[in-house]
Amino acid sequence: NAGVMQNPRHLVRRRGQEARLRCSPMKGHSHVYWYRQLPEEGLKFMVYLQKENIIDESGMPKERFSAEFPKEGPSILRIQQVVRGDSAAYFCASSPETVTSSGNTIYFGEGSWLTVV
Amino acid sequence: SQKIEQNSEALNIQEGKTATLTCNYTNYSPAYLQWYRQDPGRGPVFLLLIRENEKEKRKERLKVTFDTTLKQSLFHITASQPADSATYLCALGSQGNLIFGKGTKLSVKP
Repeated sequence: NAGVMQNPRHLVRRRGQEARLRCSPMKGHSHVYWYRQLPEEGLKFMVYLQKENIIDESGMPKERFSAEFPKEGPSILRIQQVVRGDSAAYFCASSPETVTSSGNTIYFGEGSWLTVV
Repeated sequence: SQKIEQNSEALNIQEGKTATLTCNYTNYSPAYLQWYRQDPGRGPVFLLLIRENEKEKRKERLKVTFDTTLKQSLFHITASQPADSATYLCALGSQGNLIFGKGTKLSVKP
């Protein structure tokens, strides 16, 4: 996990507020992935980004969720008007290049735990 | 739809024994399969990747097999230690869009 930095580690929001989760990939990595882990559930893919581009957002909820990875700065996962069901651990991962069909590893951060009260 | 199952939610074994965890999948033909370890409150840590043309892969006390006919992978930890206690996740996919199983929580008792 060394190198993929996520903050905040823990975030508490009231229903209706916005949550912003940040991810700085490992040095030299230009590909970022966001996953969500609900209590008692497995990790679920949300979105895959390269610098300034969304490559695959097939796992993103259609509303309230957005992600970006600007040219400068960390990747941001933004959740607007949070609801209790958004309470989960959100993990960011990065890779140095496109994960090919022959397989490359992606490296995870320690996660951001969102609690909606 | 694609489905990945890890047969046991929890596995308890005695220190020194071999732990064997199972991962089965359906409606999918992955080019590779990965195993991760996750400790409470932490992110997943990559352990091993095995490709479809590889039957077996080893790393220190870890061994992974991949049977594309049975659509199954077995993950073995030999000479298990209490420090191996964690949740182990298998994952399939490509392009970073990995499909994870729910994990098997391994407890190794001294």
